[in-house]
Amino acid sequence: KQEVTQIPAALSVPEGENLVLNCSFTDSAIYNLQWFRQDPGKGLTSLLLIQSSQREQTSGRLNASLDKSSGRSTLYIAASQPGDSATYLCAVLTGGGNKLTFGTGTQLKVEL
Amino acid sequence: ETGVTQSPTHLIKTRGQQVTLRCSSQSGHNTVSWYQQALGQGPQFIFQYYREEENGRGNFPPRFSGLQFPNYSSELNVNALELDDSALYLCASSSQGGSYGYTFGSGTRLTVV
Repeated sequence: KQEVTQIPAALSVPEGENLVLNCSFTDSAIYNLQWFRQDPGKGLTSLLLIQSSQREQTSGRLNASLDKSSGRSTLYIAASQPGDSATYLCAVLTGGGNKLTFGTGTQLKVEL
Repeated sequence: ETGVTQSPTHLIKTRGQQVTLRCSSQSGHNTVSWYQQALGQGPQFIFQYYREEENGRGNFPPRFSGLQFPNYSSELNVNALELDDSALYLCASSSQGGSYGYTFGSGTRLTVV
């Protein structure tokens, strides 16, 4: 059974800091990994999608890496801003390609 | 290109009642999945629909059922509501299963009292 863990559960940083969010998964037989952002009480916004054959993806200030063999992914956020405050969720696609398994998220607060 | 839309946004039901939630998939997507997210938790997979048939199911009882229509929109039905069914219900659409990623809607907040 695939299990996804995210560390830390919560993080508070001053504006401008570079930060790293961690995601680990127990079964390396994944199709892809997707990072999402969720604002309180809202739906999920896709940030980055990494296919199992890829090592990293970048979008603006965000960079995500994937090490499938060790079951790890990191999301790097450069020069954090208060608008980055949200919960960040990682999810892996498994189960024949029809099921996303999510971690419980990292709640990020960026303070002025 | 329209995204995934869900209705209603909020709903309050009484224990034992039945509820139907609706989802319109993103243009070009033929697969719809439903997830349940309890407060403080990650979303949990309920089931997926492809070509109007169930294509995978998570650990949810049969009182959770769904439909997909020819235009790829979908419904989630929950019978005999329980207090623990209170959650945010998220719909996601994708093409080719999930090979190119999932697009999520804003969710329906269901409260069972």
